[in-house]
Amino acid sequence: NAGVTQTPKFRILKIGQSMTLQCAQDMNHNYMYWYRQDPGMGLKLIYYSVGAGITDKGEVPNGYNVSRSTTEDFPLRLELAAPSQTSVYFCASSTPSGSYNEQFFGPGTRLTVL
Amino acid sequence: GDSVTQMEGPVTLSEEAFLTINCTYTATGYPSLFWYVQYPGEGLQLLLKATKADDKGSNKGFEATYRKETTSFHLEKGSVQVSDSAVYFCALSGRIGNMLTFGGGTRLMVKP
Repeated sequence: NAGVTQTPKFRILKIGQSMTLQCAQDMNHNYMYWYRQDPGMGLKLIYYSVGAGITDKGEVPNGYNVSRSTTEDFPLRLELAAPSQTSVYFCASSTPSGSYNEQFFGPGTRLTVL
Repeated sequence: GDSVTQMEGPVTLSEEAFLTINCTYTATGYPSLFWYVQYPGEGLQLLLKATKADDKGSNKGFEATYRKETTSFHLEKGSVQVSDSAVYFCALSGRIGNMLTFGGGTRLMVKP
């Protein structure tokens, strides 16, 4: 199993450009998540999905959009990139059981907006 | 709502020193507790977990005990190595939407 994969690993954008961060998992997990991690900080939840066709906002959703057309894929779209979106983005997946929710993380995408 | 508080870093230790990273939490009900580790340039990996009170999670020489009476899940290791240098995150998952709530992370630096 590849686990959770993310592409690209690095990207530099100019202000106002748009891009899609790709995330895929092969563990048949129904939950998927997008987090951002700013330098020296913890993780903040951007969006999450509990299954194909179902998405919901997390703590910091402004400036982002998501879709979940399949169980495996959960792309994150940035429209009109801004310097405040410079961060490392992590995708994760899980299948919660009761209060137990062990999440599996991808390697991250480092995004710089100039 | 749920919250996790970790000691701020960086924590700098010499090789073979004893490590404690404090973690306390606030949550309703009976959350599951986790420690994740992030090595430089990588994503988060699960280090250990505990799902009920008095459970002890352990892995790679690290241990943490779920203490409901003190709402704590402190991470310990008896003898750290340079290869343990990383950022450590305490987290909990509770009843509310099954989301993970993370602490702010603690950077550990181990010097030879």
